[in-house]
Amino acid sequence: EAGVVQSPRYKIIEKKQPVAFWCNPISGHNTLYWYLQNLGQGPELLIRYENEEAVDDSQLPKDRFSAERLKGVDSTLKIQPAELGDSAVYLCASSLDPPPTGLHEQYFGPGTRLTVT
Amino acid sequence: AQSVTQPDIHITVSEGASLELRCNYSYGATPYLFWYVQSPGQGLQLLLKYFSGDTLVQGIKGFEAEFKRSQSSFNLRKPSVHWSDAAEYFCAVAPRTGTASKLTFGTGTRLQVTL
Repeated sequence: EAGVVQSPRYKIIEKKQPVAFWCNPISGHNTLYWYLQNLGQGPELLIRYENEEAVDDSQLPKDRFSAERLKGVDSTLKIQPAELGDSAVYLCASSLDPPPTGLHEQYFGPGTRLTVT
Repeated sequence: AQSVTQPDIHITVSEGASLELRCNYSYGATPYLFWYVQSPGQGLQLLLKYFSGDTLVQGIKGFEAEFKRSQSSFNLRKPSVHWSDAAEYFCAVAPRTGTASKLTFGTGTRLQVTL
């Protein structure tokens, strides 16, 4: 069974440009998470979806970040415009069940490393 | 405030030596406890987790962790380290209740293994 798929794996853009990250969760997983991992830090939750509904987006900087999960499967995270401080790894994860149960079996993708110049 | 502390940013051990990575947490009640490993260019992989019961938890790849309530600690151990264990290790916690429960990660410990 395929794991969580993310693309692109690496992205380099100039500041003020837009960028988008794509995530395909494990088949059948209803809960999808986007995390931000800054260099030398642990991941921090940006947003969580239950099917197509964003149920926790309290940590998402809504002035420049947006996300969607149309049809409750794939998800896209967008930044517009990007700033130098957005350079980080963006991780996607999925679980079959929502928290707290789903936290026990959360599977992570390899991440997208974003560099903003 | 809830927090997770991994005091060691970087640890170097020789292959075959024993390993202990420290994790301390600050929570109102005992949370769920996890250890993840992240190899370069890879996503996080769950090594082990503690919910209840036996305070010594066995995980994958020969790792184990011990929950000590009195010390608010959940240290990760391995009796004999292999070169392939070189990676970043993250301790994480999550509240036991509530649909808003989420993982809070420590800052990680980078493990280097010398041959």
